[in-house]
Amino acid sequence: GQNIDQPTEMTATEGAIVQINCTYQTSGFNGLFWYQQHAGEAPTFLSYNVLDGLEEKGRFSSFLSRSKGYSYLLLKELQMKDSASYLCAVRALYSGAGSYQLTFGKGTKLSVIP
Amino acid sequence: GAGVSQSPSNKVTEKGKDVELRCDPISGHTALYWYRQSLGQGLEFLIYFQGNSAPDKSGLPSDRFSAERTGGSVSTLTIQRTQQEDSAVYLCASRRRGDTAADTQYFGPGTRLTVL
Repeated sequence: GQNIDQPTEMTATEGAIVQINCTYQTSGFNGLFWYQQHAGEAPTFLSYNVLDGLEEKGRFSSFLSRSKGYSYLLLKELQMKDSASYLCAVRALYSGAGSYQLTFGKGTKLSVIP
Repeated sequence: GAGVSQSPSNKVTEKGKDVELRCDPISGHTALYWYRQSLGQGLEFLIYFQGNSAPDKSGLPSDRFSAERTGGSVSTLTIQRTQQEDSAVYLCASRRRGDTAADTQYFGPGTRLTVL
């Protein structure tokens, strides 16, 4: 099975940098995703890591350490519109169905304040 | 359409009634997923369809839940004899190919189900 942990809530100031951590325990790991979900809306894809290291995409970066079962999402130059929940999801191969499935963490609610 | 669509957007029903939720995936996407998101909880996997293969139903919480996908496109999630604990947002997602790790899932706006 999978177990994914991330902080429930975080608060940061507009213009600052915030790091949202995610730890996981899984077998058959095959990638880690970060999604952004604004209140009342569908999750939208932010980033994907399958190899160790940092993936940078504009103001957002995501890091993965497979040996430590650890990832973080780094948001720079925070804007008010970044207030949302950030979902960490681990992808693993389910041998029974022969398919990849995502298991989501409960999400981190980020509040950006002026 | 350009994205995943779901209907209805909101559904209020009485305990014991049956409900049907619909998902139209992105055209050409062969993989389709249903998730449930309860207040304060993460997305809970329910069922997965990939092409013509038998669906992965391992996430369905009880035999009151079923889903089908007709013609490899539209999917319907049916909940029979609804209970109050079924109240949640039901999200559908589709994916371009089902067996390649790098393909991401694209989510619909969800159906908010409230069971009174």
